[in-house]
Amino acid sequence: GAVVSQHPSRVICKSGTSVKIECRSLDFQATTMFWYRQFPKKSLMLMATSNEGSKATYEQGVEKDKFLINHASLTLSTLTVTSAHPEDSSFYICSATPGQAYNEQFFGPGTRLTVL
Amino acid sequence: GQQVMQIPQYQHVQEGEDFTTYCNSSTTLSNIQWYKQRPGGHPVFLIQLVKSGEVKKQKRLTFQFGEAKKNSSLHITATQTTDVGTYFCAHASGGSYIPTFGRGTSLIVHP
Repeated sequence: GAVVSQHPSRVICKSGTSVKIECRSLDFQATTMFWYRQFPKKSLMLMATSNEGSKATYEQGVEKDKFLINHASLTLSTLTVTSAHPEDSSFYICSATPGQAYNEQFFGPGTRLTVL
Repeated sequence: GQQVMQIPQYQHVQEGEDFTTYCNSSTTLSNIQWYKQRPGGHPVFLIQLVKSGEVKKQKRLTFQFGEAKKNSSLHITATQTTDVGTYFCAHASGGSYIPTFGRGTSLIVHP
């Protein structure tokens, strides 16, 4: 099956620093990747849709200058949380789909971000 | 995307009992997908339903898509402790491929 990796799995940083999270599709090309945020015991909140070679599409209420997304290749998308604050602490999960048709999504293992 | 209501939010069962979670929409869905997320883990795709009235089975799991394509259910027969987790339904509608997830149903199985 398709595998998506995410790195790092866990990060603790000081308030004001920036954190980059990588999402890679290991055995398929992902035209589209999605970035989610999940609070404890809550559902997945879609943050943005990342398309290879173009700007990401952000969901309403998500600050694009705060959460920078770059989809540089068909196998890599990155999410950078800039000037992180404690309220940014959360579980960030990426997913990838092989095509633009609505196919199943393959999720990365997630990144637990803790901002002190 | 449009909202889907998923109920119940939590379900406690004794091991061996059955479990059902429901996903409801006020409008017609083009498809429905189900995912399972174990505690501390990430969502894993279970199945996709696209046809009206479709029923699919995976061992003890039975997935249904309503005739009107406005609701779906996941039924687990004789739950086991390995079934513990949160089950999400998801869909994309109106020609969009952007997924919308239900809030999930957390299943707790007591041995």
